[in-house]
Amino acid sequence: QVQLVQSGAEEKKPGSSVKVSCKASGGTFSHYVITWVRQAPGQGLEWMGGIIPISGTPRYGQKFQGRARITADESTTTAYLELSSLRSDDTAIYYCARGGVSGSHLGWFGAWGQGTLVTVSS
Amino acid sequence: QSVLTQPPSVSGAPGQRVTISCTGTSSNIGANYDVHWYQQLPGTAPKLLIYADTYRPSGIPDRFSGSKSGTSASLAITGLQAEDEAHYYCQSYDSSLSGSVFGGGTKLTVL
Repeated sequence: QVQLVQSGAEEKKPGSSVKVSCKASGGTFSHYVITWVRQAPGQGLEWMGGIIPISGTPRYGQKFQGRARITADESTTTAYLELSSLRSDDTAIYYCARGGVSGSHLGWFGAWGQGTLVTVSS
Repeated sequence: QSVLTQPPSVSGAPGQRVTISCTGTSSNIGANYDVHWYQQLPGTAPKLLIYADTYRPSGIPDRFSGSKSGTSASLAITGLQAEDEAHYYCQSYDSSLSGSVFGGGTKLTVL
């Protein structure tokens, strides 16, 4: 059973960057997409982007192109999301999730991390 | 504004049946991309409920079912229970955006 464990809550100033980690265990890491989804307070789910670790090439939602950077380290089975130029409306819970279809960015997300709260405030 | 449209809320009494719709366009559901559904209980991460339009992961009761037709999909919940009170989200792939898209979410209230 795949388990995803994320890093702890962060408090950041506007204009700074944050890096959130997602450690996978209990399953195949390299061939399944690790995606990042965020949820602002009281709002719905928003797809940010994802990466298939063995390919190394991430895809990003249009809103996050140029500001988000998704990477994956196969040696530690850990994925990372770095978001720069933070604004107050980036305050949200950030989730990582693992895709259900090997080698594809399409498909469902069957395993989720516990979420990381990122608060952006001056 | 979400790419997939869901009703903000639905409600039903215990034991009743409710459905939640998810309406897309010709670049996502209408292009025959699979639809997946998630349940999110307060303060927890989303949980996969239905994948590939109609399939239930292991451990999901058969009270939950999914369907799809044209540019829309639906989640049906029969025999409503108090524990079903949660937010429900649909998800698909959008070819024009080259990425996953979610519905805005539906809050289910069990009366």
